Amino acid sequence: EPEVTQTPSHQVTQMGQEVILRCVPISNHLYFYWYRQILGQKVEFLVSFYNNEISEKSEIFDDQFSVERPDGSNFTLKIRSTKLEDSAMYFCASSGHLSREKLFFGSGTQLSVL
Amino acid sequence: AQSVTQPDIHITVSEGASLELRCNYSYGATPYLFWYVQSPGQGLQLLLKYFSGDTLVQGIKGFEAEFKRSQSSFNLRKPSVHWSDAAEYFCAVGARNNNDMRFGAGTRLTVKP
Repeated sequence: EPEVTQTPSHQVTQMGQEVILRCVPISNHLYFYWYRQILGQKVEFLVSFYNNEISEKSEIFDDQFSVERPDGSNFTLKIRSTKLEDSAMYFCASSGHLSREKLFFGSGTQLSVL
Repeated sequence: AQSVTQPDIHITVSEGASLELRCNYSYGATPYLFWYVQSPGQGLQLLLKYFSGDTLVQGIKGFEAEFKRSQSSFNLRKPSVHWSDAAEYFCAVGARNNNDMRFGAGTRLTVKP
């Protein structure tokens, strides 16, 4: 089965630093998502992206966050100035032309902000 | 916005026993409903989904779930649990008019020998 790939698997950063989390969605997919899971809490929706623009975003996705599809294959999540509470597992997902028909999730990037 | 509740944080069953994981959702219309499984250190794997039609849906690994509109529920079942089923299970609900999907807090399943 095709896979969504996320790199790195674990990212450690200092508070206030910028981080970029990278994802390679499945090649013919059109919808892209970021979710996060703080340790011990539920998986939370951050943002969805379609046709090179954000289609939905949650209240969590504030001005510190941005997403980009820079080259037609990668889908990135940037956190401009990390805070301690940004520490979480970040999951990328993608789906095909029927949107939520099936979301394929990556294995996640564990972000630790020190 | 849609929301989902998984009342059980942790369930322990014996191998070979039957399993039911509860999920209740809140949404004003017919939702999209999903069950995902997450093994330690792994991503989220889709077990099954309900969009429309037959309210009893079959998934992978022998799981099934039943959509009950009157109870706003989408409980996950398996007749005989295997040790490899030990994992975290997430119910999720998607609305028909937006792209986000809301997850429940998850139920951790432990399987006793």
